[in-house]
Amino acid sequence: GAVVSQHPSRVICKSGTSVKIECRSLDFQATTMFWYRQFPKQSLMLMATSNEGSKATYEQGVEKDKFLINHASLTLSTLTVTSAHPEDSSFYICSAEREDTDTQYFGPGTRLTVL
Amino acid sequence: QKEVEQNSGPLSVPEGAIASLNCTYSDRGSQSFFWYRQYSGKSPELIMFIYSNGDKEDGRFTAQLNKASQYVSLLIRDSQPSDSATYLCAVNGGSQGNLIFGKGTKLSVKP
Repeated sequence: GAVVSQHPSRVICKSGTSVKIECRSLDFQATTMFWYRQFPKQSLMLMATSNEGSKATYEQGVEKDKFLINHASLTLSTLTVTSAHPEDSSFYICSAEREDTDTQYFGPGTRLTVL
Repeated sequence: QKEVEQNSGPLSVPEGAIASLNCTYSDRGSQSFFWYRQYSGKSPELIMFIYSNGDKEDGRFTAQLNKASQYVSLLIRDSQPSDSATYLCAVNGGSQGNLIFGKGTKLSVKP
């Protein structure tokens, strides 16, 4: 199998604080991981591509200074939402790419609520 | 702009029927095709992937690929209420090696 975990699953924070979300591939190595955001009843939106050992590539309109991505190892990528505001409240989902099949496996997601 | 198109639905089928979900894609160079299932409030779950023209079967699911016509479909046999979810079609070909997702088709299986 291919298992991807995310932590935390749910977080509630005050406006202005920073929140770190971890994404781990548990049984395979992932050179590439992806971060998505999904608002209620809307489709997945790719935020950025995270490559191990190099800088992340952000999609147009996503602020790289607000959404900090670090991919320090082949099994871990982190997304930090800095100075979070209520409009950042969303469902954040990571995926990890298994290279032998070019297949992406999703983590269970992190539901962020900013008060 | 590479695109993946799906009918948003909802597609409603009775329990036990065959549900047919369709997807078209714009990039003729795409090589890998995926179907994900997403339950409300949950993250997407991989159902199947297909690389070659023709059919690929896995249990009650059959993926069909026709590269000449640039479409990929998913058939669900003996549909169950637990199959009610949004089904996402995805195709490789993003500029960062990412998948390009369709907006999903919502399937409702009525008991």
